Amino acid sequence: GQNIDQPTEMTATEGAIVQINCTYQTSGFNGLFWYQQHAGEAPTFLSYNVLDGLEEKGRFSSFLSRSKGYSYLLLKELQMKDSASYLCAVLGTGGSYIPTFGRGTSLIVHP
Amino acid sequence: DAGVIQSPRHEVTEMGQEVTLRCKPISGHNSLFWYRQTMMRGLELLIYFNNNVPIDDSGMPEDRFSAKMPNASFSTLKIQPSEPRDSAVYFCASSLEMNTEAFFGQGTRLTVV
Repeated sequence: GQNIDQPTEMTATEGAIVQINCTYQTSGFNGLFWYQQHAGEAPTFLSYNVLDGLEEKGRFSSFLSRSKGYSYLLLKELQMKDSASYLCAVLGTGGSYIPTFGRGTSLIVHP
Repeated sequence: DAGVIQSPRHEVTEMGQEVTLRCKPISGHNSLFWYRQTMMRGLELLIYFNNNVPIDDSGMPEDRFSAKMPNASFSTLKIQPSEPRDSAVYFCASSLEMNTEAFFGQGTRLTVV
């Protein structure tokens, strides 16, 4: 089975930087995704990591350490529109590539 | 492409009735996923198809749930009979390959009364 942990909720100030952590325990690993989900909407893709290190994409970056079973999503220059739930998803074992989602971290950005 | 298209967007039904949710994946995508999302349990994978073949249905709650993918452009999720605890948002998603990002439909909000 797979176990994925994320903080339930975080708050931050507009213009600041926030780091959302995700830890996972799996019997195999084929990659990790981050998705953003605004209230009442569908999840949308943010990033994908399969190798260790930092992937930067504009204001958003994602980091992976496979040996530690750890990833984080870094959001810079926060904007009010970044208030959303951020979902960490791990691709499963072997050739099945079954994705398992964490419960998500609800980020609230205030002025 | 219009993205993943789900219908209906909202469904209210009485306990015991049959419910059918529909999904049209993005053209050319080989993998299709059905998810259920609730406040209590988050986003749960129900079933996963690759090239129209069910790969893993271990997330399907019980025999009341069934899913089909008769061709590459259409899938259905059926609940028969429906129960109040089935109330949730059901998402369909598709991806180009098994290990690429998924594109989600807008979801079907199901309420069983």
